[in-house]
Amino acid sequence: AQSVAQPEDQVNVAEGNPLTVKCTYSVSGNPYLFWYVQYPNRGLQFLLKYITGDNLVKGSYGFEAEFNKSQTSFHLKKPSALVSDSALYFCAVRAVTGGGNKLTFGTGTQLKVEL
Amino acid sequence: DGGITQSPKYLFRKEGQNVTLSCEQNLNHDAMYWYRQDPGQGLRLIYYSQIVNDFQKGDIAEGYSVSREKKESFPLTVTSAQKNPTAFYLCASSIPSSGSSHNEQFFGPGTRLTVL
Repeated sequence: AQSVAQPEDQVNVAEGNPLTVKCTYSVSGNPYLFWYVQYPNRGLQFLLKYITGDNLVKGSYGFEAEFNKSQTSFHLKKPSALVSDSALYFCAVRAVTGGGNKLTFGTGTQLKVEL
Repeated sequence: DGGITQSPKYLFRKEGQNVTLSCEQNLNHDAMYWYRQDPGQGLRLIYYSQIVNDFQKGDIAEGYSVSREKKESFPLTVTSAQKNPTAFYLCASSIPSSGSSHNEQFFGPGTRLTVL
C-alpha cells in the first residue's frame, strides 16, 4: 500500500519569509511524487512533480521541492512567501511499479501567509 | 481549471434520491477520475477510467456508479446506497500513465453536494 503524510494541518508564515510545507511518503519501491494547490471552492492545480533525476524540482509560481529518498520526504519550499500563496496544499504519491496508476493524496496543509 | 467542466456547482439532494454529477473535458485525455473531498481527509478516489468503455473502482466506490460512453464525458451517480454523500466532488483527467512515468492530473472546479 502507498501512503502520504502531511504532518502539519496549518503552516503560518510572514510575507517575505521562506516557507516549507512538509510531506513524507511510503511506497514499495520508487515513487512518483506531486504537489498540488487548491484555492477555496476550486479544483486542484498542479505545481510540480518528481519522476526521476535531479532531486530538486522546480515548479510553478516560484515553488520547489526536494526529493530525499533516505528520509522518504518531498517537502515543498519557496524562498519568499506571498500573501497570494495562502491556500491548501496537497502532496500525492504513486509507486513506480504496482501503483495501479492511482495517486494517493495526503490530507492537505493549509498555508497562511500574513503581512 | 483548464478544459474540464463540472456541473452543477452546487447540488442539493433529499435522502433516498439518486443524483448525477456531470464532468466533461475537451483536453482529449483518455484517463478520467472522480474524487471525494472531505475536510481533514484529503482526496479519496471513487472511480477512474483509463479508456472509453472501461472503468475501475477506486478506494471508496460503494454507493457510487459511473459510465464512460464517450471520451470527453465521465458522469458520476451518487445513489441512495451512499450513506454519507455530503461532500465536495472533484473530477480530473490526464494522459494515461505508463510504468515509466506518471502524468499530472487536471482538475475541474468541483461540485458541492449537500444532502438535506
